[in-house]
Amino acid sequence: DVKVTQSSRYLVKRTGEKVFLECVQDMDHENMFWYRQDPGLGLRLIYFSYDVKMKEKGDIPEGYSVSREKKERFSLILESASTNQTSMYLCASRTGTGPYGYTFGSGTRLTVV
Amino acid sequence: RKEVEQDPGPFNVPEGATVAFNCTYSNSASQSFFWYRQDCRKEPKLLMSVYSSGNEDGRFTAQLNRASQYISLLIRDSKLSDSATYLCVVNPGGTSYGKLTFGQGTILTVHP
Repeated sequence: DVKVTQSSRYLVKRTGEKVFLECVQDMDHENMFWYRQDPGLGLRLIYFSYDVKMKEKGDIPEGYSVSREKKERFSLILESASTNQTSMYLCASRTGTGPYGYTFGSGTRLTVV
Repeated sequence: RKEVEQDPGPFNVPEGATVAFNCTYSNSASQSFFWYRQDCRKEPKLLMSVYSSGNEDGRFTAQLNRASQYISLLIRDSKLSDSATYLCVVNPGGTSYGKLTFGQGTILTVHP
């Protein structure tokens, strides 16, 4: 089974801190994604990557950046955390071809105080 | 119009009931379709893919109608453990770089 691992399950950070969320997948998937999920707003795509060192903005990239130096690892960076970035962050990966869905990590619940 | 639309519910049904969820999508070129299940405060997990011919997995049946751009999920003999949010998911294909499009989810509560 594909495994997508997010480094932290729960995280509490202070306003203004730089925050790194890490995601690692073990099945050589080309595509990786970062979403946030908030009550009533569903899943919103922040950034995605379809290859090493390649990245594309999603629907809500403001205040975030990403890094993909290796195929298996996709990092989300909050440059200067703010309280409105308190959310559940979900990483997903998917093979680039074929009728396959995402595999999600177990999520990181981030609280910015 | 949203790319993927679902009735948000909530659906409250007794154990043993049959319940159906519907979903419509706007992109007629969409290539593949899925239902995901999400438990409270957990990540979404793939429940089943949806094929043009319809497909069944135990108590769950998924149907796709490409002409009407409509997907459905039927749950028979509902169990308490079926309580969750069900997400309709579409692969728009093309130059989407593998991005999937999610509906807002339908909340199901099965009560004794």
